[in-house]
Amino acid sequence: DQQVKQNSPSLSVQEGRISILNCDYTNSMFDYFLWYKKYPAEGPTFLISISSIKDKNEDGRFTVFLNKSAKHLSLHIVPSQPGDSAVYFCAALLNNNDMRFGAGTRLTVKP
Amino acid sequence: DAGVTQSPTHLIKTRGQQVTLRCSPKSGHDTVSWYQQALGQGPQFIFQYYEEEERQRGNFPDRFSGHQFPNYSSELNVNALLLGDSALYLCASSLGGAQGYTFGSGTRLTVV
Repeated sequence: DQQVKQNSPSLSVQEGRISILNCDYTNSMFDYFLWYKKYPAEGPTFLISISSIKDKNEDGRFTVFLNKSAKHLSLHIVPSQPGDSAVYFCAALLNNNDMRFGAGTRLTVKP
Repeated sequence: DAGVTQSPTHLIKTRGQQVTLRCSPKSGHDTVSWYQQALGQGPQFIFQYYEEEERQRGNFPDRFSGHQFPNYSSELNVNALLLGDSALYLCASSLGGAQGYTFGSGTRLTVV
């Protein structure tokens, strides 16, 4: 049961431009949504989160937007940097104990 | 400040065998969750331990079991290994729940 979906397995952008990573979900009971970043041979690291009662959260170059009616969230990275190249996972949290992940999107930022 | 430590980093087992993976949480964290990440997929929730008890469980068979010790470290046991159990097993720790997870680098299990 794939409750969190990332339909784009990869994304390539030019350095300095905006990266937009998308995520869709099916369960309206999710409390929080999170984005994790993963480099090879490392575990995922937390990037940014948003409560289900908000529609935007910003942290430096990273902004997450939540559209509850569409059950869609997106992560914007601006400006993109080569060090942002990694796999990005969207995750959704249920009852603070059960976190569901999407399949990930591999972002490549070209110099 | 040590983060989450997992051991071993790599493991090769034969089908039908049993395996134990270990996790030491980040200092100050009391909750440990285990995830299985197959190639090309996102992490799949196996279970979460808090106060030495399994608090939540994902859609995994009973062959997958775990334990949490008084020092909050945890073990994941998998019995009767199948080829399909080959994956990266991730441990994540947090304080009280799933927010603020810190992940370990994982144990790569290969079943042959």
